[in-house]
Amino acid sequence: GNSVTQMEGPVTLSEEAFLTINCTYTATGYPSLFWYVQYPGEGLQLLLKATKADDKGSNKGFEATYRKETTSFHLEKGSVQVSDSAVYFCALSPYGNKLVFGAGTILRVKS
Amino acid sequence: DTGVSQDPRHKITKRGQNVTFRCDPISEHNRLYWYRQTLGQGPEFLTYFQNEAQLEKSRLLSDRFSAERPKGSFSTLEIQRTEQGDSAMYLCASSLEGQRNYGYTFGSGTRLTVV
Repeated sequence: GNSVTQMEGPVTLSEEAFLTINCTYTATGYPSLFWYVQYPGEGLQLLLKATKADDKGSNKGFEATYRKETTSFHLEKGSVQVSDSAVYFCALSPYGNKLVFGAGTILRVKS
Repeated sequence: DTGVSQDPRHKITKRGQNVTFRCDPISEHNRLYWYRQTLGQGPEFLTYFQNEAQLEKSRLLSDRFSAERPKGSFSTLEIQRTEQGDSAMYLCASSLEGQRNYGYTFGSGTRLTVV
């Protein structure tokens, strides 16, 4: 079946620290991969995506590379800000008809 | 375009009552999805429509749940005889067929509390 596993949180970092949130997946075929972010009280926002192996998605300083050999799509950012505090969801779309989400990782950034 | 709109934002209901939620997708999007998100979990797929046709339903969607998209535009999700376990955030999303790689746009959700 299709599933996504994310590292458990919360992840607590100081401002300007390096961020990594691990995401691995199990899927049939060749899914598209996504990271979504959810700020308190708001809906999900697409952060970045990758559609095939070795693609790198990037947005707002965040990056993730589609690694087929390790079935991973880890989220990274070189220097986090307090405003990055949110819940981050890794997701895959196996056939383009729905998303399968991980459980989410809470990120807390301290000033 | 104002994105995906959901109404109401919050709903508190007594156990056993029926509730209905509405979702207005992005106008040019022909696909519409419903998800349920409980505290501390990722969204779980419930069902999706392509135009007015309901193409897939999750086993999470019990007989008490029904969704419609009568004219291929807005959609409603009804829960009959609500139970406390139905308390969750109900999210709607839309997309354009053939452009899955552009992602799915989500609404802000309807938070249901069953007391």
